[in-house]
Amino acid sequence: DIHMIQSPSTLSASVGDRVIITCRASESISNWLAWYQQKPGKAPKLLISKASSLESGVPSRFRGSGSGTEFTLTISGLHPDDVATYSCQQYQDDGLTFGGGTKVEI
Amino acid sequence: QLQLQESGPGLVKPSGTVSLTCIVSGASIRGSSHYWGWIRQSPGKGLEWIGSVFYIGTSSYNPSLNSRSSVSVDTSKNHFFLKLYLATAADTAVYYCARQAFYFDNSGKKRGCFDTWGRGALVTVSS
Repeated sequence: DIHMIQSPSTLSASVGDRVIITCRASESISNWLAWYQQKPGKAPKLLISKASSLESGVPSRFRGSGSGTEFTLTISGLHPDDVATYSCQQYQDDGLTFGGGTKVEI
Repeated sequence: QLQLQESGPGLVKPSGTVSLTCIVSGASIRGSSHYWGWIRQSPGKGLEWIGSVFYIGTSSYNPSLNSRSSVSVDTSKNHFFLKLYLATAADTAVYYCARQAFYFDNSGKKRGCFDTWGRGALVTVSS
């Protein structure tokens, strides 16, 4: 299995801050990585696929980057509505795996 | 608009079977190029992929579940299903069904990320 390690596990920031979340894969996954946003009590929502492709309707303050084993999700200008847990998922390997999640607080 | 909804018992006895149905509306499973998957989230934990199925019935599973899971599809009802056998307290979780995107690489068609999710169903394994 490919292991996905996210950091930090919890992040506290202020409205307007730039927030960076990191996801590391235990082996190269090319750019087969997705990012999800999950608000409390809700289902995950796909934000970004293929490491950097923003899904339709997702605000442009969200940006994904990286390839190989190192990936980042950047929120440029944190909004109160961005309070959520963010998870990465690799789909290079048939055994799909998720990161442990990063909880973003304000 | 595609919608998915999980349905099934919320309480399962230890050694019993978690049985869930995903009701798909707004799109047809039959003939779809997408896969259809199940993901769970234990209390306070991260997401875990369980398994996925294609409309013709071919399926794939997370090996960490030790062959306890089965994912199937009924295209006539536009539903797909999850069964998780020999349940223990560790299987207590919110179970999500989701549509799974696909892509092509050098080895052919492969399963991708999950682009549409159901709201989730809490299943508790307890006597």
